[in-house]
Amino acid sequence: AIRMTQSPSSFSASTGDRVTITCRASQGISSYLAWYQQKPGKAPKLLIYAASTLQSGVPSRFSGSESGTDFTLTISCLQSEDFATYYCQQYYSYPLTFGGGTKVEIK
Amino acid sequence: EVHLVESGGGLVQPGGSLRLSCSASGFTFSSYAMHWVRQAPGKGLEYVSTISSNGGSTYYADSVKGRFTISRDNSKNTLYLQTSSLRAEDTAVYYCVKDEHYSSNWSPLGGWGQGTLVTVSS
Repeated sequence: AIRMTQSPSSFSASTGDRVTITCRASQGISSYLAWYQQKPGKAPKLLIYAASTLQSGVPSRFSGSESGTDFTLTISCLQSEDFATYYCQQYYSYPLTFGGGTKVEIK
Repeated sequence: EVHLVESGGGLVQPGGSLRLSCSASGFTFSSYAMHWVRQAPGKGLEYVSTISSNGGSTYYADSVKGRFTISRDNSKNTLYLQTSSLRAEDTAVYYCVKDEHYSSNWSPLGGWGQGTLVTVSS
C-alpha cells in the first residue's frame, strides 16, 4: 500500500495567516492526490483534486501544488471558517490511502 | 443534489456482524463507483472498501479483507457493507462515499454521507 505522510499533525495559526500543509507519498502517484477538509462532527469535504484543481465552490484562497512525490496545500489568507482538520489522499491505486491529518487551530 | 444516507450501525459484541446500508439519491447511482471509509473516534480517515459502478470489481483494506463484503443493488440505489467477525478496532463512524467523477478509473472521493456509528464492545 502507498503510504501518505502528512505534516505537521497540528499547528496554531491566526486569521489572515498564510499556511502550508505538506503530504509525501511513499511512491509515485502521478497527480492523483486530493485534499479534504473536515470540521468536527461533519463529513469530509473535497477541496482539491488532481493535486492542484480546485473543486467547484471552494474559495480561491485554497491552492495545491506538487513536486515529484511531495504535495502541498496552501491557504493564502486563513479565515475563521478554515479552522478544521485537513487530509490528503491518493487515488492512484488501491487500497486508497489517507494522510494522518493536520489540525489547524486558532492561535 | 447528492444525498447519501447510511443506516445499520449500532452496538455489537466482538465477533458479531452488522449489515450497513447506504441509500443514494440525486445522481445516477449506477454510473459511479462507491466506497466505504471509516473514522475511529478521535482518529483519522481510514479506507475500507470500494465497488465499481456495475459491481464487477471490489477492493478492500487489508484490515477488513475476508471479514467485510461490499455490494450494491443498482435497481434500489443502495450500497451495502456486510461486516462479520467484528473487533473492538472496527469501532468507527462508517461513511458511504461516491466517486467525484463517473466512469473514471481515477477519481477523488466526492459526496459523503453523514456516517453511521458502529461500536464493537461487550
